[in-house]
Amino acid sequence: EVQLVDSGGGLVQPGGSLRLSCAASGFTFSTHAMSWVRQVPGKGLEWVSGLTGSGDATYYADSVRGRFTISRDNSRNTLFLQMNSLRVEDTAVYYCAKGENEYSASWYDYWGQGTLVTVSS
Amino acid sequence: DIQMTQSPSSLSASVGDRVTITCRASQSINNHLNWYQQKPGKAPKLLIHAVSSLQSGVPSTFSGSGSGTDFTLTISSLQPEDFATYYCQQSYNTPPTFGQGTKLEIK
Repeated sequence: EVQLVDSGGGLVQPGGSLRLSCAASGFTFSTHAMSWVRQVPGKGLEWVSGLTGSGDATYYADSVRGRFTISRDNSRNTLFLQMNSLRVEDTAVYYCAKGENEYSASWYDYWGQGTLVTVSS
Repeated sequence: DIQMTQSPSSLSASVGDRVTITCRASQSINNHLNWYQQKPGKAPKLLIHAVSSLQSGVPSTFSGSGSGTDFTLTISSLQPEDFATYYCQQSYNTPPTFGQGTKLEIK
């Protein structure tokens, strides 16, 4: 059974940092691209960042480029999102999502349960 | 970035009704169109990928169609568990983008 477990969210002040994690199981992690998608409570879905199965290629939304870093540890089946210089507008539930194939552009067939990031003073 | 526009933004319907949700892309995305269902407090769930391929376990009351820039999600006979918010998503290129969502409510 495929499982994605998101963790690492919390309350942080503007300008602060957080590191999100997504622990994956039930599939061959290294052969699937992964992404982070966020959702402001009560609003729609926004793709944040993604990377290929090998981790060689990474992609970012303009709104987070230069502040967030996506990475993965295929030996530990874990996806990460390092978030620096956080802004109030980064407040959202962050979901990790499994891509259907090894490359970036695909549909997301499994999602984590989400972890809430609140940026506030 | 490719803009995805859904209509309507909200919809009231009754159990047993047939409903259709439309998604329009700002440029041709061929068949790279996917649909998700999200219930309050839960993660999105993939319903349909590549326009019309039903994800395993999804009831056959759901169907998708379209090509190029215009796509539809149809629920042939609404069940109580279908009341949720639906999103389309293009996977034609990066960044993948989502529609703003269609909230399906009980009439």
